[in-house]
Amino acid sequence: GEDVEQSLFLSVREGDSSVINCTYTDSSSTYLYWYKQEPGAGLQLLTYIFSNMDMKQDQRLTVLLNKKDKHLSLRIADTQTGDSAIYFCAERGTDSWGKLQFGAGTQVVVTP
Amino acid sequence: ETGVTQSPTHLIKTRGQQVTLRCSSQSGHNTVSWYQQALGQGPQFIFQYYREEENGRGNFPPRFSGLQFPNYSSELNVNALELDDSALYLCASSFRRVHPTDTQYFGPGTRLTVL
Repeated sequence: GEDVEQSLFLSVREGDSSVINCTYTDSSSTYLYWYKQEPGAGLQLLTYIFSNMDMKQDQRLTVLLNKKDKHLSLRIADTQTGDSAIYFCAERGTDSWGKLQFGAGTQVVVTP
Repeated sequence: ETGVTQSPTHLIKTRGQQVTLRCSSQSGHNTVSWYQQALGQGPQFIFQYYREEENGRGNFPPRFSGLQFPNYSSELNVNALELDDSALYLCASSFRRVHPTDTQYFGPGTRLTVL
């Protein structure tokens, strides 16, 4: 089964904040990532956080990391219709070659 | 600076055939990773190449193989195709540093359909 778990679906109104949650199991993870995938496209890196940080903010994006609970969240402020996509969280372990372990993705639908 | 490109964008093959997918890394990157993304799932790591050598492998059989060339472009080869190989194949390039801060940047993917 997946080592990284995400809820499958989120519906949000345009202008509201979206919060996408993720849990992971590898306590040795070094970096945690959020990627965005639009229909028929590859993965776009949104942001990442190092495992010794609690929070990272990047424009409309805020990442929160609770290392004790192995919980990661991505908050999107002022959600727009262009934010409709599938969002993947991924963890990177301590191995030298940087394999990413992805969750199954959260589909975010933004309604007017 | 060019991003990661992949070719072809779509491909249809029949069971038992062989396929080669291609990836051109982002300028300045020396590491390429390949992932398989089945419909409705997250990407699964296949393998990674660094300086033309396989540097790590996921849970995929030997009929999945790869190459990395001196210009850091890469190929993924799959022999004896099975129906379950139908998926989006993604390559990601990164720059290997001393400390593990190499972020992976993904290409648009190749959609493979096996009939």
